[in-house]
Amino acid sequence: KQEVTQIPAALSVPEGENLVLNCSFTDSAIYNLQWFRQDPGKGLTSLLLIQSSQREQTSGRLNASLDKSSGRSTLYIAASQPGDSATYLCAVSSGANSKLTFGKGITLSVRP
Amino acid sequence: DTGVSQNPRHKITKRGQNVTFRCDPISEHNRLYWYRQTLGQGPEFLTYFQNEAQLEKSRLLSDRFSAERPKGSFSTLEIQRTEQGDSAMYLCASRAPGEGNQPQHFGDGTRLSIL
Repeated sequence: KQEVTQIPAALSVPEGENLVLNCSFTDSAIYNLQWFRQDPGKGLTSLLLIQSSQREQTSGRLNASLDKSSGRSTLYIAASQPGDSATYLCAVSSGANSKLTFGKGITLSVRP
Repeated sequence: DTGVSQNPRHKITKRGQNVTFRCDPISEHNRLYWYRQTLGQGPEFLTYFQNEAQLEKSRLLSDRFSAERPKGSFSTLEIQRTEQGDSAMYLCASRAPGEGNQPQHFGDGTRLSIL
C-alpha cells in the first residue's frame, strides 16, 4: 500500500527566504506526482505535476523535483512571500486514471 | 474553463439524516473523483467515475454511501443515516480524457457537519 509522508507538519519562515518542502513515498512505481496548495476552508489548487520520467518541473518561483528511485520529491519556493502561506500537499498516482494518494501536508507560514 | 463546482459549500445536519452533495466537473472532463478530508489530514480517495461508469470504490465507502454520475456529467454523493464520523470536507476532482499526464482539478468542497 502506498504511503506518502510530509515532514515537518508545519513550517514558519521570514519573508524572502528560499525554502524546500519535502515529500516521500514508499512505493516507487508511480505514474506521476502532483503538488497542491490548499488555503483554509478551500479546495486544492494544482501547482505542479511531474511525470515519472521527469526529474523536475518549474512554474514561476516554484520548482518541484522527483527522485523516483529513492521515493522522494521536493518543492522549492524561491523568495517566499506572505501570500505563499498555505498548506502544501503532495500526492502520487500509480496510473493514468488512478486515484491520488496524499500526504498530510505541510502548513507554511511566511512572516512579513 | 469555469472550474469544478460543488454544492452546497456547507451542510449542517442532525445525526441520522440523509444528505446529498453535487459536483459539476470541468466541461468535457470525463474522469471524476470523490475524496474525503478530515482536519489535519490529506484527502482520502472514495470513488472514481469514467463517464457514467463507477470504476473504483474505496473500502471507506460504506453501504451508507452511494455515488452516481447518471449522464456522465455531474455527480452526486449521498450519505444515508449520517454519523458523527461523517463530518468532513468532501472534495470532488475532475480530469481530462486521455492517457497522458493531465492533473486532477479540485473543487472547493462541501463541508459536512453532523450535530
